[in-house]
Amino acid sequence: SQQGEEDPQALSIQEGENATMNCSYKTSINNLQWYRQNSGRGLVHLILIRSNEREKHSGRLRVTLDTSKKSSSLLITASRAADTASYFCATDEGVNNNDMRFGAGTRLTVKP
Amino acid sequence: GAGVSQSPRYKVAKRGQDVALRCDPISGHVSLFWYQQALGQGPEFLTYFQNEAQLDKSGLPSDRFFAERPEGSVSTLKIQRTQQEDSAVYLCASSLVGRGGLSYNEQFFGPGTRLTVL
Repeated sequence: SQQGEEDPQALSIQEGENATMNCSYKTSINNLQWYRQNSGRGLVHLILIRSNEREKHSGRLRVTLDTSKKSSSLLITASRAADTASYFCATDEGVNNNDMRFGAGTRLTVKP
Repeated sequence: GAGVSQSPRYKVAKRGQDVALRCDPISGHVSLFWYQQALGQGPEFLTYFQNEAQLDKSGLPSDRFFAERPEGSVSTLKIQRTQQEDSAVYLCASSLVGRGGLSYNEQFFGPGTRLTVL
């Protein structure tokens, strides 16, 4: 069963705009990760945020985590057409690190 | 510097046929994971190997699904008597060290095998 739920399910923006995607989960976690998947490809790891962190940056990516609300957001600033992809959050839970549960993803389209 | 590779990339099977999907993890990676990704959904965990030992198969949907990693490197996911609901992309991932503990170990994903059962 899937743990995380992303919203929106689909997002369409113009190049240069910022894109925000949200993820909610149900149980306590050790880490939360965001992945990108281009059509027909495997997943690429973007960023990991630990349960004791509130915000993390990597290039044009900013991730926040609110464990009290069991939610996370991924912000992509100054979007590019190449950012068009599906974005998934994944949580690991319990005693087994790396036992990841993915959400259904947000399909982002960036129009040039 | 090759990543995780999977073959075939696409497989079409008639209902009732057996299929075998192969995963070549990154050399030296201890952990290997199989996921099933239905259309429009996120990946769902199927099974986990640490070296040749299958430590977790809790995600396998039925006894028609079988996975092995006999020498601790290449893994094969076999699906017997395929059904239409087995149609999905099957993703393999590997990571450097074993599961467990407090440290995070990044999983590297292959491109997947898209299985279509007619």
